[in-house]
Amino acid sequence: ETGVTQSPTHLIKTRGQQVTLRCSSQSGHNTVSWYQQALGQGPQFIFQYYREEENGRGNFPPRFSGLQFPNYSSELNVNALELDDSALYLCASSRTEGYGYTFGSGTRLTIV
Amino acid sequence: RKEVEQDPGPFNVPEGATVAFNCTYSNSASQSFFWYRQDCRKEPKLLMSVYSSGNEDGRFTAQLNRASQYISLLIRDSKLSDSATYLCVVNIGDTGRRALTFGSGTRLQVQP
Repeated sequence: ETGVTQSPTHLIKTRGQQVTLRCSSQSGHNTVSWYQQALGQGPQFIFQYYREEENGRGNFPPRFSGLQFPNYSSELNVNALELDDSALYLCASSRTEGYGYTFGSGTRLTIV
Repeated sequence: RKEVEQDPGPFNVPEGATVAFNCTYSNSASQSFFWYRQDCRKEPKLLMSVYSSGNEDGRFTAQLNRASQYISLLIRDSKLSDSATYLCVVNIGDTGRRALTFGSGTRLQVQP
């Protein structure tokens, strides 16, 4: 059984740029959620996708957007990058909403 | 006030010690509860779910007190390999936001 895979593993961007992070969900999982984890903090919920539709969103501005594809893989897009966007971005998938989340190893994004 | 609050630690304990972590949550509508473990620069991994009746998994015991909105984790006979950050996690489960809400984590360092 393939787990959750994220790409890239590391990324450096400059302020104002745009970035796309990718996630392949675990086989059989139809729900994908994204989290931002700043240094020394717990992960913060960004949004969740179920069957290609966003069905939940945390306290993040609209410049954070996403997509889920028919194969349940997902993208996180961030526009107009700010220094505070530097963090570990985690993708998690589950078979049903709210239970049995499996996390990917994350993308470490650094904004300079 | 944070939705999930934990003592950040660090807890420095000798091998073989018993250590307890506590966590409080603010939303009385929270429906499911978990402890996750996160090693340095890795993704969170589910340690155990927490049930109202309390539950045990080997050296780990979790308790939930819904009236006090309080969750605990007890680790007996600590091993060096238990050194990690322990994240208290709740799932509110309401429509539109079936996502995980994480505490900031409690760091445990087990000393030889």
